Amino acid sequence: DAKTTQPTSMDCAEGRAANLPCNHSTISGNEYVYWYRQIHSQGPQYIIHGLKNNETNEMASLIITEDRKSSTLILPHATLRDTAVYYCIDLAGGTSYGKLTFGQGTILTVHP
Amino acid sequence: EAQVTQNPRYLITVTGKKLTVTCSQNMNHEYMSWYRQDPGLGLRQIYYSMNVEVTDKGDVPEGYKVSRKEKRNFPLILESPSPNQTSLYFCASRSAASSYEQYFGPGTRLTVT
Repeated sequence: DAKTTQPTSMDCAEGRAANLPCNHSTISGNEYVYWYRQIHSQGPQYIIHGLKNNETNEMASLIITEDRKSSTLILPHATLRDTAVYYCIDLAGGTSYGKLTFGQGTILTVHP
Repeated sequence: EAQVTQNPRYLITVTGKKLTVTCSQNMNHEYMSWYRQDPGLGLRQIYYSMNVEVTDKGDVPEGYKVSRKEKRNFPLILESPSPNQTSLYFCASRSAASSYEQYFGPGTRLTVT
């Protein structure tokens, strides 16, 4: 799996958009970008994934740069319950036998 | 409700006393995995299973065993636990048709004294 880099921590005010960046400069052409989050000591939770195009679901939006070397996870209206560690992961779809390699992630703290 | 369950959620044991952590999923998923999470080391895969009777080692398999006799269950066995196996353990499952969305259990916090 290619390596991703993320800021160690970020803060966000409740109700504002949280924009979490991720660099994946060594990503291969068939590798997707996945985002998970982990709320304090709970099991990680899938958020969103993408390959080339921007993606949106009920939880978040994912913006991938044209060169695919970086991406941004956007939580449009952050709430206190979004305080968590956010992990950006890249891996080839269907070839990893389910192994997700989690880095250190970004600790997002949402303030009232 | 689609879920992955683990038992026990908390366990304190002594060195050398065999233990089993159970994992069960109700989504008919083919793939199941065990991870351990330690401060500063992130989540590391211990073992995974691609289907019944098909298992393989992950990144940190030493000291652990697994079995997959039924599709829904994937127990983690520590034959002779040691203090360095004190950790937070997660079981996860996913469908073979979906490589991206893994469902994680709530975690088992194990302390070996």
